[in-house]
Amino acid sequence: QSALTQPPSASGSLGQSVTISCTGTSSDVGFYNYVSWYQQHPGKAPKLMIYEVSKRSSGVPDRFSGSKSGNTASLIVSGLQAEDEADYYCSSYAGSNNLVFGGGTKLTVL
Amino acid sequence: QVQLQESGPGLVKPSETLSLTCTVSGGSVSGGGYYWSWIRQPPGKGLEWIGYIYYSANTNYNPSLKSRVTISVDTSKNQFSLKLNSVTAADTAVYYCARAAASTVGLDYWGRGTLVTVSS
Repeated sequence: QSALTQPPSASGSLGQSVTISCTGTSSDVGFYNYVSWYQQHPGKAPKLMIYEVSKRSSGVPDRFSGSKSGNTASLIVSGLQAEDEADYYCSSYAGSNNLVFGGGTKLTVL
Repeated sequence: QVQLQESGPGLVKPSETLSLTCTVSGGSVSGGGYYWSWIRQPPGKGLEWIGYIYYSANTNYNPSLKSRVTISVDTSKNQFSLKLNSVTAADTAVYYCARAAASTVGLDYWGRGTLVTVSS
């Protein structure tokens, strides 16, 4: 299994929206609706933000949303706030009880 | 509130075995419905799924690590463990334990992580 593909970086101004993509294959992202997104601040453990493509984890602001089209999933962060600056990782179920992560995207809030 | 805490040596010599334990509180490793997982993150790099154990005995591992990894559980202590043998410098990473709900595959609770350095 290969890692999912994410852009290394993304940026947006305070209050704006940004979309982070996560591209897999027809064997993982494209086949299963088990895509999750994680936020990781420096020196901290990842935090589950989105699961099953578009469901927000408990306590996650509704500024965060997820979607999927074909083999690509997306995390949309609207109304960017300073505290949203972090690394974001996607993951997908890849069949045969396997899990695969994306390489991560560093989100900068300008 | 579920809490997970990794423990184990922070320094391992090349070719030896890395051993870590995750202690779970606020939840049971012996109950069904959850995948008790290990994930690692090399310094400055991304996350890599190592594997998980579920229903106290069934395991599944990343194919790239499968030949070197063993995950086991101690229900009496409410712990699960990771062993990675024949380590090299490439295995230097922060190792996290986490819980995934089997119904969603989302890793909803994580430990704080522990840095393991492979060096002589």
